[in-house]
Amino acid sequence: AQSVTQLDSQVPVFEEAPVELRCNYSSSVSVYLFWYVQYPNQGLQLLLKYLSGSTLVKGINGFEAEFNKSQTSFHLRKPSVHISDTAEYFCAVDQTGANNLFFGTGTRLTVIP
Amino acid sequence: SQTIHQWPATLVQPVGSPLSLECTVEGTSNPNLYWYRQAAGRGLQLLFYSVGIGQISSEVPQNLSASRPQDRQFILSSKKLLLSDSGFYLCACRGPSYEQYFGPGTRLTVT
Repeated sequence: AQSVTQLDSQVPVFEEAPVELRCNYSSSVSVYLFWYVQYPNQGLQLLLKYLSGSTLVKGINGFEAEFNKSQTSFHLRKPSVHISDTAEYFCAVDQTGANNLFFGTGTRLTVIP
Repeated sequence: SQTIHQWPATLVQPVGSPLSLECTVEGTSNPNLYWYRQAAGRGLQLLFYSVGIGQISSEVPQNLSASRPQDRQFILSSKKLLLSDSGFYLCACRGPSYEQYFGPGTRLTVT
């Protein structure tokens, strides 16, 4: 069975500090991986995706993520966060051939001035 | 690129009343469509998905139903709302690289 784990439900970080949001998944087949951001009372916005090729993926707003197949992880990073990065972040997995995305429970990133 | 519209944006309904939420998609044809619910402070729960007109798959047994009367229209309904139906409802459309694009959502409060 497929599952997505976001270990940290809340991550506080000071402005201009680096941040890493962790995501681990379990799947017996190849997967596609995604990170989404959700601002209050809005829909989800795609940050970045990994389909194949280079394991380091760059997305919007200065975020990047690295796919690690041996550790089944897809952690999201940003070298210097801004106040505007305060939001909920969701990791998602698409099992090859499936119709659906499986979402993690989300990590609330709070940037402290 | 796809654009997803949802309405209404907010809704307050009494317990036992009916519900109809509408989602329409622009910029694509024959898309996979999805309804999610997000309870306060929690993650996304997939409710229904559709791969074509009249084709609905239900992920969670409940008092909600979905219909797809047209290629780019997806409707979420209920005959009698429960307090537990309160939440943020999101419609999504599958993109060409397996990603999903989301609408702005509908905030439903059942009183």
